[in-house]
Amino acid sequence: EVQLVESGGGLVQPGRSLKLSCAASGFTFSNYYMAWVRQAPKKGLEWVATISTSGSRTYYPDSVKGRFTISRDNAKSSLYLQMNSLKSEDTATYYCARGLGPAGYFDFWGPGTMVTVSS
Amino acid sequence: DIQMTQSPSSLPASLGERVTISCRASQGISNNLNWYQQKPDGTIKPLIYYTSNLQSGVPSRFSGSGSGTDYSLTISSLEPEDFAMYYCQQDASFPPTFGAGTKLELK
Repeated sequence: EVQLVESGGGLVQPGRSLKLSCAASGFTFSNYYMAWVRQAPKKGLEWVATISTSGSRTYYPDSVKGRFTISRDNAKSSLYLQMNSLKSEDTATYYCARGLGPAGYFDFWGPGTMVTVSS
Repeated sequence: DIQMTQSPSSLPASLGERVTISCRASQGISNNLNWYQQKPDGTIKPLIYYTSNLQSGVPSRFSGSGSGTDYSLTISSLEPEDFAMYYCQQDASFPPTFGAGTKLELK
């Protein structure tokens, strides 16, 4: 059974950093693109980052480019999101998702982890 | 970026009713259109990929259609567990973008 479980969310002050993790199981992790998608409170879904199977290619929207870094450890079947210079508008639930290709159809999602950026 | 416009934003409906949710792209997306369901607890379930292909395990009362810029999700006969939020998403080009969502609620 495919499982994705995020961790690392919490309350953080503006300008600080936070690192999210996603533990994957039930499939060959290294064969799939992986992504982060977020949802601000009472808002819709927003794609945040995608990483290729080997980790050699990464993709970001302008809203997080230069502040967020997606990475993966295929030996540990784990996905990460390093978030720096956090802003209040980064407050959201962050979902880890398995992607079929770079731009995604996201065919499995984790339950999400909440990040609150506030002083 | 390709903008995705969903309608309606809210859809009151009754058990057993047939409903359709629409999604329009700001430019042609060549059937690269996917649908997701989100329950009130935040759980996101993929439903349909590439316009009309059902994700494994999704009931056959769900169907998708469309072409060019206009796509739709139809539920043929509403069950209690279908009342949720629905999002469309295009993966024709970067960045992947989502519609604003349709809240399917019990009338």
